[in-house]
Amino acid sequence: DIRMTQSPASLSASLGETVNIECLASEDIYSDLAWYQQKPGKSPQLLIYNANSLQNGVPSRFSGSGSGTQYSLKINSLQSEDVATYFCQQYNNYPLTFGSGTKLEIK
Amino acid sequence: QIQLVQSGPELKKPGESVKISCKASGYTFTDYAMHWVKQAPGKGLKWMGWINTYTGKPTYADDFKGRFVFSLEASASTANLQISNLKNEDTATYFCARGVGPVDYWGQGVMVTVSS
Repeated sequence: DIRMTQSPASLSASLGETVNIECLASEDIYSDLAWYQQKPGKSPQLLIYNANSLQNGVPSRFSGSGSGTQYSLKINSLQSEDVATYFCQQYNNYPLTFGSGTKLEIK
Repeated sequence: QIQLVQSGPELKKPGESVKISCKASGYTFTDYAMHWVKQAPGKGLKWMGWINTYTGKPTYADDFKGRFVFSLEASASTANLQISNLKNEDTATYFCARGVGPVDYWGQGVMVTVSS
């Protein structure tokens, strides 16, 4: 199974700041990487797919990058509505595997 | 618009069974796989497996072989998850989610509580 190591586990940042979340795959996943946002009590929402493609309707302050085994999610100009837990997921190989999540709070 | 609407919360005793449904609308049901994902309280996401909505063939992740069954009512654009011989550790929210590659739409989740 491909292991997804996500960091940090939690993050506190001020409104307007830029934050980065990292995801490291245990093997090359050839950019088959998605990022999800999950707000409390809600289902996950797809933000980014194919490592850097923005899902329809997602604000452009979200962006993804990376290749091989290293990937990152960047949130520019942090807004209050961005408070959530963020997960990465690889879909290069079964079983699909998720990172352990990053809980983002406003300072 | 695309929607996956799941059935309501369940409270069960250990050893009982539960069946959760996921009704899809707004797209051609057989064009996308249906995945199932478990989220225990306060925990992360765990992929349980998927069902080919065209052929009906299920594939289970290793931790979900034996007591878990994925099925379809294709004429009703509905996917089902049945869990038998429920255990306390099955207490979780179960999501259905469609996808070919990335999972792009999720149901609202069903909270299953197993308690004596």
